Amino acid sequence: DAGVIQSPRHEVTEMGQEVTLRCKPISGHDYLFWYRQTMMRGLELLIYFNNNVPIDDSGMPEDRFSAKMPNASFSTLKIQPSEPRDSAVYFCASTGQGPNYGYTFGSGTRLTVV
Amino acid sequence: AQSVTQLGSHVSVSEGALVLLRCNYSSSVPPYLFWYVQYPNQGLQLLLKYTSAATLVKGINGFEAEFKKSETSFHLTKPSAHMSDAAEYFCAVSDGRFQKLVFGTGTRLLVSP
Repeated sequence: DAGVIQSPRHEVTEMGQEVTLRCKPISGHDYLFWYRQTMMRGLELLIYFNNNVPIDDSGMPEDRFSAKMPNASFSTLKIQPSEPRDSAVYFCASTGQGPNYGYTFGSGTRLTVV
Repeated sequence: AQSVTQLGSHVSVSEGALVLLRCNYSSSVPPYLFWYVQYPNQGLQLLLKYTSAATLVKGINGFEAEFKKSETSFHLTKPSAHMSDAAEYFCAVSDGRFQKLVFGTGTRLLVSP
């Protein structure tokens, strides 16, 4: 298995532009999570899905952020419009249940908004 | 609500010395507990997990952790540090039901020759 795949690895964009981050979870995992990591706030859970359905989006900072999971093998996190304070590393993670419970993280997308 | 507290944002050891990274948890139900490691510019990698079986859990790279309910602790240890262990380590807790992990603030391990 190739693990959790995120793209792009790095993204530099100008303030006000739309940014879309992508994630492919591990096949068979039915939970998918989006985290944001910054020096100031550490790891923050933004939103998570179970069987493609959003379960908890209370961590999404504001309406500029949205996430979708149209099918079991793909999810997006979109920021529109982007702001400099959105600069962070965004991680996607997935997990199964029972004996397979334990998040597998992607390598992250480093977002810089200038 | 569940939470974890990692004591010490930085821990420094010499190569070959004992590694001890502390984690205390708070949970209203029997917890699932995890340790993750993050190397620079990489994602988090699962070191080990406790899911209500044996209280002493062995993980990868020679690390182990012991679940102590009386102390609400899940400290991570390694008998002999290696230079390659230098990284950031995160403790995390879940109640298992909702599959959501809550992470601690992390401890950066520094290993000197």
